[in-house]
Amino acid sequence: GAVVSQHPSRVICKSGTSVKIECRSLDFQATTMFWYRQFPKQSLMLMATSNEGSKATYEQGVEKDKFLINHASLTLSTLTVTSAHPEDSSFYICSALDRGPTYEQYFGPGTRLTVT
Amino acid sequence: QKEVEQNSGPLSVPEGAIASLNCTYSDRGSQSFFWYRQYSGKSPELIMFIYSNGDKEDGRFTAQLNKASQYVSLLIRDSQPSDSATYLCAVNIVLGTGNQFYFGTGTSLTVIP
Repeated sequence: GAVVSQHPSRVICKSGTSVKIECRSLDFQATTMFWYRQFPKQSLMLMATSNEGSKATYEQGVEKDKFLINHASLTLSTLTVTSAHPEDSSFYICSALDRGPTYEQYFGPGTRLTVT
Repeated sequence: QKEVEQNSGPLSVPEGAIASLNCTYSDRGSQSFFWYRQYSGKSPELIMFIYSNGDKEDGRFTAQLNKASQYVSLLIRDSQPSDSATYLCAVNIVLGTGNQFYFGTGTSLTVIP
C-alpha cells in the first residue's frame, strides 16, 4: 500500500504557542488530504479536507483560524495549531487520498500533541 | 441516523475462530467500502477495500458487500491474538464536489488465546 508520513510523531508545547504538523505522501501524489483528531477511546473526527492549491474545507465546529491548513504541493499538507491550549491535546492523524478507481485513504502514523 | 453504523462491541472470539464484523450504511450512493484496523495508540491501517457486490478474499480476511441490503462485513478466519484491535468501517461517496468519506465508530475485537 501507499505510504504516508507525519512529522513530528510526538510534540509537547506550552500553552499559547503554535505547533506545525507535516503530512507527506511518499510514493504517490495526493491532491486531497484529510486531517483527523482522535481523543482517547473515541472515534476519528474529521477536522478538514485539504485540496492541493485551494483552501481547506473545515468541518462544522472546527475553527479555521485556529487550525491552519496548507496544501502547497501534491505530496505535502501541513496543519498548524495556533495558540494551543491544553484542550487541544490529542492525537492528530492525516490521510492522503489515492486517486485510483477506488479512492483508498492511507493514514499517516499520527502526531500526539500535548499542550502543557 | 448515522451514515455508517457498527456495533461497538467488544467482540470476543477464541483463537482460531472466525471473527465476523458488520457494518451498515445509509446512503445508496456509496461506492467504495473500506475496512481499517486500528491498534490502541496507533493510526488506522487499511486492510481491505471492496466496491462490487459479493465477496473479496485476501489471506485470512474476507470482505462481503451487499448493496441491496446496504451492509458490508469483514470475516477474519483463524483469528490470532494479534488481530485484537478496533476495526473501522468506512464508505466513500463520490460527489460532484469531491469525495465524501464516512467512518463508523469502530468495533473492538479481542481474540482470546
